[in-house]
Amino acid sequence: LAKTTQPISMDSYEGQEVNITCSHNNIATNDYITWYQQFPSQGPRFIIQGYKTKVTNEVASLFIPADRKSSTLSLPRVSLSDTAVYYCLVGGSARQLTFGSGTQLTVLP
Amino acid sequence: GAGVSQSPSNKVTEKGKDVELRCDPISGHTALYWYRQRLGQGLEFLIYFQGNSAPDKSGLPSDRFSAERTGESVSTLTIQRTQQEDSAVYLCASSLFFRLTDTQYFGPGTRLTVL
Repeated sequence: LAKTTQPISMDSYEGQEVNITCSHNNIATNDYITWYQQFPSQGPRFIIQGYKTKVTNEVASLFIPADRKSSTLSLPRVSLSDTAVYYCLVGGSARQLTFGSGTQLTVLP
Repeated sequence: GAGVSQSPSNKVTEKGKDVELRCDPISGHTALYWYRQRLGQGLEFLIYFQGNSAPDKSGLPSDRFSAERTGESVSTLTIQRTQQEDSAVYLCASSLFFRLTDTQYFGPGTRLTVL
């Protein structure tokens, strides 16, 4: 079971780039890395997914080193509306669908 | 198109009562998932369906919990003889297929309070 470790919380200011790192030392060959965002009183929302190297979409970038034992979610120029809990999810089967406690990102004005 | 919907949005019940939580997935999505989220905590996986079948029920917290899905559509999570520790938000998600890369789309959740 690929357990993940993330910082409990992070603070940032508007306009800054935020990097949230997730450790997953026991990642398996078939596992993908997925990040979700959750606002209060809402269900999580998919942000980005990757297997190796770098993935970029209109919302974020995901950096995965060659050993895949960690990954970094990068949010460019955050705004107040990016304040949310961010979950790193590693796995490829339902039994590995453990979201953990996530990282509470607070963006300050 | 319509997203995942759940009902009721809030449910307050007394200890010992049974409750049914409903999930309507996105039309055409074959995989459906149930999670539980206690206040201030992450998501705890409960069960998933491929079509109408639940291959693995080991994530259900106790035998008071059961789930079913019919017509490869609506799913119901039933909690019998509710306890105070069952108080949580119950989230449902669906995905097109049960593949490694399929995105899960979550509903707004049902907030269950057991008095």
